[in-house]
Amino acid sequence: DADVTQTPRNRITKTGKRIMLECSQTKGHDRMYWYRQDPGLGLRLIYYSFDVKDINKGEISDGYSVSRQAQAKFSLSLESAIPNQTALYFCATSDPTSGSSAGELFFGEGSRLTVL
Amino acid sequence: AQKVTQAQTEISVVEKEDVTLDCVYETRDTTYYLFWYKQPPSGELVFLIRRNSFDEQNEISGRYSWNFQKSTSSFNFTITASQVVDSAVYFCALSEAKTSGSRLTFGEGTQLTVNP
Repeated sequence: DADVTQTPRNRITKTGKRIMLECSQTKGHDRMYWYRQDPGLGLRLIYYSFDVKDINKGEISDGYSVSRQAQAKFSLSLESAIPNQTALYFCATSDPTSGSSAGELFFGEGSRLTVL
Repeated sequence: AQKVTQAQTEISVVEKEDVTLDCVYETRDTTYYLFWYKQPPSGELVFLIRRNSFDEQNEISGRYSWNFQKSTSSFNFTITASQVVDSAVYFCALSEAKTSGSRLTFGEGTQLTVNP
């Protein structure tokens, strides 16, 4: 099983609908992230959380919200989806204390969201 | 603000050719991390390398090599004797060290196609 699991992997929805993307991890990392990938733009940070009580906005947080339900779970919500939120979304974790792996992001397999 | 630029949007080579992917970065931090990730057609993100800003030694791993030059703010990636399986999108990324390397800023990505 993957260490970082995202659900759903694919979702098609309509404008105005509420959507939740879920992420769970078994790596025991405190830090979790949500990134969005668009062609030609690379990955951009939406939100990040350094522990259960810590939530921070990234560079493109407008239109999104998050919830850190537990160390292992970090959910991304689109309260009212719009077509320009069509993208590939990645959840990631990291452990800053892991020596040679410090700073490395461990990614989920991605959730492809299409908003019609 | 941090910025990573991958000016080569797409590169196409024939198998066995050497290919270099360019990465130029901007940061005000004196300590930082640089990364390369690979995204094959299947979509997952695969970690390739992390380089600390203190360490300007070039690194070689099999057919892969990385050239870090602080003077030109570049962290270029060379694949020697390319293979079809190297076809992927490659991302260069930068993170600040003060948060132990979290919050990566990604470049736009370079789509590499290796033709048989």
